[in-house]
Amino acid sequence: DTAVSQTPKYLVTQMGNDKSIKCEQNLGHDTMYWYKQDSKKFLKIMFSYNNKELIINETVPNRFSPKSPDKAHLNLHINSLELGDSAVYFCASSQGGVGPEETQYFGPGTRLLVL
Amino acid sequence: AQSVTQLDSQVPVFEEAPVELRCNYSSSVSVYLFWYVQYPNQGLQLLLKYLSGSTLVKGINGFEAEFNKSQTSFHLRKPSVHISDTAEYFCAVSEVSSASKIIFGSGTRLSIRP
Repeated sequence: DTAVSQTPKYLVTQMGNDKSIKCEQNLGHDTMYWYKQDSKKFLKIMFSYNNKELIINETVPNRFSPKSPDKAHLNLHINSLELGDSAVYFCASSQGGVGPEETQYFGPGTRLLVL
Repeated sequence: AQSVTQLDSQVPVFEEAPVELRCNYSSSVSVYLFWYVQYPNQGLQLLLKYLSGSTLVKGINGFEAEFNKSQTSFHLRKPSVHISDTAEYFCAVSEVSSASKIIFGSGTRLSIRP
């Protein structure tokens, strides 16, 4: 009965491929996020959606495109994968509006390795 | 723009000893402050947060943190650690006026020795 779930848990792929990571939350939250954690454990926000509307879009390459079919899902599609995309990607969600005071609940992460 | 500095990348302590994980932030406006914990191979979990009011914030698992505005610090403390506290701890800051953007520190690895 996972609150925020991500699939797949591990993803190993070749450079140049296109891949997607899925995220689902069953908490009834309105806001969802994608974070990237690099090999040095540095965690940085990539995107934030509120009720399917893009709120935060950090300076990530255009190869990364989030898609929110409904407010319970926020998928991340990555085109033309590069070695530097190797990282752990975390999905998170929070209830209500876009205020940073809202507690964010994180998924278990997707470990992406680009060869 | 705000930033967060966690000076200690690793903190080894013995079981049942007290611990303090240091966090300093930089911002020109009012901030919210957070501590998250990441257990091995898991996502982040909120330990505690400071939004306003009392500067001493109590969180889960016996942790507490004190907001010190003059020193721009938000150090995390626990009087007696347990083996199960072994994890990575992240301090984070967000400007009060910002829309959901939280900036994370680089993390402190807490390792507990028996």
